[in-house]
Amino acid sequence: NAGVMQNPRHLVRRRGQEARLRCSPMKGHSHVYWYRQLPEEGLKFMVYLQKENIIDESGMPKERFSAEFPKEGPSILRIQQVVRGDSAAYFCASSPSAPLWTEAFFGQGTRLTVV
Amino acid sequence: DQQVKQNSPSLSVQEGRISILNCDYTNSMFDYFLWYKKYPAEGPTFLISISSIKDKNEDGRFTVFLNKSAKHLSLHIVPSQPGDSAVYFCAASDPLNSGGSNYKLTFGKGTLLTVNP
Repeated sequence: NAGVMQNPRHLVRRRGQEARLRCSPMKGHSHVYWYRQLPEEGLKFMVYLQKENIIDESGMPKERFSAEFPKEGPSILRIQQVVRGDSAAYFCASSPSAPLWTEAFFGQGTRLTVV
Repeated sequence: DQQVKQNSPSLSVQEGRISILNCDYTNSMFDYFLWYKKYPAEGPTFLISISSIKDKNEDGRFTVFLNKSAKHLSLHIVPSQPGDSAVYFCAASDPLNSGGSNYKLTFGKGTLLTVNP
C-alpha cells in the first residue's frame, strides 16, 4: 500500500483553523475513497470520488468538510474551522476502476490533532 | 447503531497455534465481507474476502468462514506467526447502500492480535 501517498502524515491545527489533507492515488488509479477513524473506532466511509467527480459524499458532515479530485494533482480533503472532534486518522484508498477492494490500497493515513 | 461488531478487543496466542478472530453483523443486506490487517501508523492492508454466496474462502494460512444464518464470520490464521501481530478489522458492504456497488464499507472496531514467540 506504499503506492498511495498521503501527506502530511501528522497535522496539528488549532481550533478554527483549516486542515488540508492530500492523497495521491497509485499510478493508474482513478477512484479515490476517504475514510475516517476516530479514536477506538473502526473506519467510517466519508466520500468516494473519481477524477473531477464526487460520486458519493454521504459520509461527510454537511458543514465544514469538502473533497475534490481534480484532473491533475492529488485528491484533497478540506476541513474548515476544525474542532476537537475532528481529531482522527484520515485514510484514503484508491482503485484502478470500479470499486474492487481486492485491487484497492490504502495510504498510511494523516493523523489530525486539533488543539 | 453498530452494524459490524468485533466483540473481542484483543486476542493473544502462541506462535504456531491457530488464531480465530470473530465478527458479527446485523445488516442482512451485507453481501461482501473483508478482513484487513493494520500495523500501527500504517493504513489497513487487505487480507481476504468472501462473497455471501460462499461459506468459506482460503488463501494460504488465512481462511474466512461465513455463517449467514448466524450473521457471523471468522478469520482463522494457521499457523500463527509473530509477524501476524496487528489489529484486524472486519468490514462489510451493502450494495443497496452504495448504488449497487460496494465502495461503502462498514468496519468493525478491530481486534488486536498478539502472537507470542
